[in-house]
Amino acid sequence: DVKVTQSSRYLVKRTGEKVFLECVQDMDHENMFWYRQDPGLGLRLIYFSYDVKMKEKGDIPEGYSVSREKKERFSLILESASTNQTSMYLCASSSSIYGYTFGSGTRLTVV
Amino acid sequence: GQQLNQSPQSMFIQEGEDVSMNCTSSSIFNTWLWYKQDPGEGPVLLIALYKAGELTSNGRLTAQFGITRKDSFLNISASIPSDVGIYFCAGQRNNDMRFGAGTRLTVKP
Repeated sequence: DVKVTQSSRYLVKRTGEKVFLECVQDMDHENMFWYRQDPGLGLRLIYFSYDVKMKEKGDIPEGYSVSREKKERFSLILESASTNQTSMYLCASSSSIYGYTFGSGTRLTVV
Repeated sequence: GQQLNQSPQSMFIQEGEDVSMNCTSSSIFNTWLWYKQDPGEGPVLLIALYKAGELTSNGRLTAQFGITRKDSFLNISASIPSDVGIYFCAGQRNNDMRFGAGTRLTVKP
């Protein structure tokens, strides 16, 4: 069964902390994505990557960075967490034909 | 980037009723997809549509790819309590995927 695994289901961090959200996929997909999900706003794309060491900004990249050192792993980094980054974060991977496979999400609370 | 217009935002229905939701866009897409998200989980793909006019069923779910390639709908027949969740439409064009804001479905037993 193909899988996208996010390392944490729930995280609580303090304002100003550096936060790492990890995502691993076992489908050998080239494409990986980070979204945040907020009520009434749907899924908003933060960053995506089409290949190792390659990254592209999505619609809301401010306050975030990413790292893709290996094909199977895509990390989202909050350089200095703020309360407005409290959200559900979803990682996804895809081949271009078959749509996205999502992880179970990480619910991040910044206090 | 532009999101898709998905409606309704939420629905409260009685068990056994049929449900319909739709998604529209000003842009053309090559693929339309429908996802369901259970509480506390990530979205899971329900149906994928690859051709304009295509009508596809998956059990009690039926979805259509609009002939203009700018819209899609999802029907759920004879709803059951486990249909509860958020349903997302998505339009894909090459490597660009856009999502609707979701339809939150509540089913009363």
